[in-house]
Formats: sequence, C-alpha cells, structure tokens
Amino acid sequence: ELKVEQNPLFLSMQEGKNYTIYCNYSTTSDRLYWYRQDPGKSLESLFVLLSNGAVKQEGRLMASLDTKARLSTLHITAAVHDLSATYFCAVGPYGGATNKLIFGTGTLLAVQP
Amino acid sequence: DGGITQSPKYLFRKEGQNVTLSCEQNLNHDAMYWYRQDPGQGLRLIYYSQIVNDFQKGDIAEGYSVSREKKESFPLTVTSAQKNPTAFYLCASTRLTSGNTIYFGEGSWLTVV
Repeated sequence: ELKVEQNPLFLSMQEGKNYTIYCNYSTTSDRLYWYRQDPGKSLESLFVLLSNGAVKQEGRLMASLDTKARLSTLHITAAVHDLSATYFCAVGPYGGATNKLIFGTGTLLAVQP
Repeated sequence: DGGITQSPKYLFRKEGQNVTLSCEQNLNHDAMYWYRQDPGQGLRLIYYSQIVNDFQKGDIAEGYSVSREKKESFPLTVTSAQKNPTAFYLCASTRLTSGNTIYFGEGSWLTVV
C-alpha cells in the first residue's frame, strides 16, 4: 500500500529565510505532484515530477525528485508572506494508468514579516 | 474559459437526506475524480472514472455513489449511509496519459445540520 508522509506538518519562518519541505513515499512511483492550497480554497498545481533527478523551479519554489530514495523536496528560497499556504505532495502508484493520487497530510507554511 | 465547475459551493443537509454535488468539466479530459478533505487533513479518494459509464471505488467509497453518463459530468451523491459527511469535496480531472497535470475544481463545502 502506497503511503505518503510530509514533514514538517507546520512551518513558521521569517521572510527572507530558506527552508525545505520533505515528502517521503513508501513504494515505487513514477510521478509526483506538488500542490498549493490557500485557506478555504481549491488546490493549485505547482509541479509535476516524472523522473529520477527531475528538478523544476518556479519563482522562489524549487522541487526535486529522487526516486531511489523515494523522496521529493520543495525548497523555498528567500520566503515572502505571499507564500503562506498549505503545500501538499501527491504520489501516483507506479505504472498506474488511472492517474490516481495518494496525498500527504500537507505542510502548513506561515511566513512571518 | 476551460475549467472544472463544482456546484453548489456551500450546502447544508439534514441528517438522513441524500445530497448530490455537481462536477462539470469542459477540458475534454478522460478521467475524473472525487476527493474528500477534512479540516487539517490531506485529500482522500472517493471515486474515479476513466471513461463514460465506468467508475471505480477509491479508498473511502462507502456511503457515496457516482455516475458518469457524459464525459464532461461526474456527479457525486452523498447518501444517508455516510456517517460523517461534513467535509470539503473536491472534483478533479485529467487526460489519462500518465504524468499529466491533474486539475481541481473550486470545491464544495457540505455541512450536515
């Protein structure tokens, strides 16, 4: 059974600082997604990672995937208040044709001025 | 504009009543999904469908039912058998090619009173 764990669950950081959110998963997968959710809102797609060593960057966020370690990271550079949100990683079972996703529990990020 | 439309956004239901949440997409996506989110939690898969007139149970299907009579529509019925239906419900869709972005609707808040 595929399980997805994120840590930390809550992250309070100051503006201008760097930090990393970790996403571990329990079985082989060939696709990993990162989403952002603002309070009371839907999920916004940030990154789709499909291969070992994949790295994608958008603004102050950079995501990477290590399929051998079953680990993805979301790195935040020089955080700003607008990045405050909950971030989810989601993993699809290997070879799955259905694109079902198993979600982590989320990381609530609060960026303090 | 292309997208996923969920309605209603807010819904109150009395115990013992069935309620149907609508999900329509005009993205010509093959696959559609229903997820449930409880406060402070990740998303859990209720049902999914890859083609018209076919659907499969997800991890928490008990007390829910769906239909897929048209490619663009995937309504979810929350039945009276669902013991704890108060939650945020999210509909999603994607093309079936593995690794495609999975897009989410704006969600429906269901409260049982």
